[in-house]
Amino acid sequence: QKEVEQDPGPLSVPEGAIVSLNCTYSNSAFQYFMWYRQYSRKGPELLMYTYSSGNKEDGRFTAQVDKSSKYISLFIRDSQPSDSATYLCAMGGYNKLIFGAGTRLAVHP
Amino acid sequence: KAGVTQTPRYLIKTRGQQVTLSCSPISGHRSVSWYQQTPGQGLQFLFEYFSETQRNKGNFPGRFSGRQFSNSRSEMNVSTLELGDSALYLCASSLRVPSTDTQYFGPGTRLTVL
Repeated sequence: QKEVEQDPGPLSVPEGAIVSLNCTYSNSAFQYFMWYRQYSRKGPELLMYTYSSGNKEDGRFTAQVDKSSKYISLFIRDSQPSDSATYLCAMGGYNKLIFGAGTRLAVHP
Repeated sequence: KAGVTQTPRYLIKTRGQQVTLSCSPISGHRSVSWYQQTPGQGLQFLFEYFSETQRNKGNFPGRFSGRQFSNSRSEMNVSTLELGDSALYLCASSLRVPSTDTQYFGPGTRLTVL
């Protein structure tokens, strides 16, 4: 079993939809949770960074962490074609940082 | 502030050859990590350097090696290239150790092994 599981998709949604992206993990040592966005032919860029359970909001993006269920989510409201990218979750703690495989998202007009 | 830069951006090599990739971190960042990204395996951790010392190493064969210089610039080397080494190699830098800090990625070097 991988330490971090993420559905690779692809996920295709119409413009304006609410998108939910998820990751599960098995190592309870993880304390830091991140979401990165990667456009084609570019390196990943940080979207959200959290270190506690609960929600964190930034514009149209909301990151949710449930440590008891070892489950994290990224919600995108009012999705736009410019949100089409691969989204990677990442988890860190105790000198370890692990990335999920990434979920490919396509938002069509 | 300039971002993470990687050179070269594209590289084509043949089996058996060796390759050296270069990474310049964001100014002031002392931690540099290297990753291999492939469609099937996702982002796989290669190694991490902090102040010229390798702090962590991923599960890759000894053909993959790296180093960090006193100015925090880093290089990774792959010897005796195999077809399966074709991938996007990403470098990331951070102020502190990567497991607790935001990592800033470069654009990557796309290596094709023929």
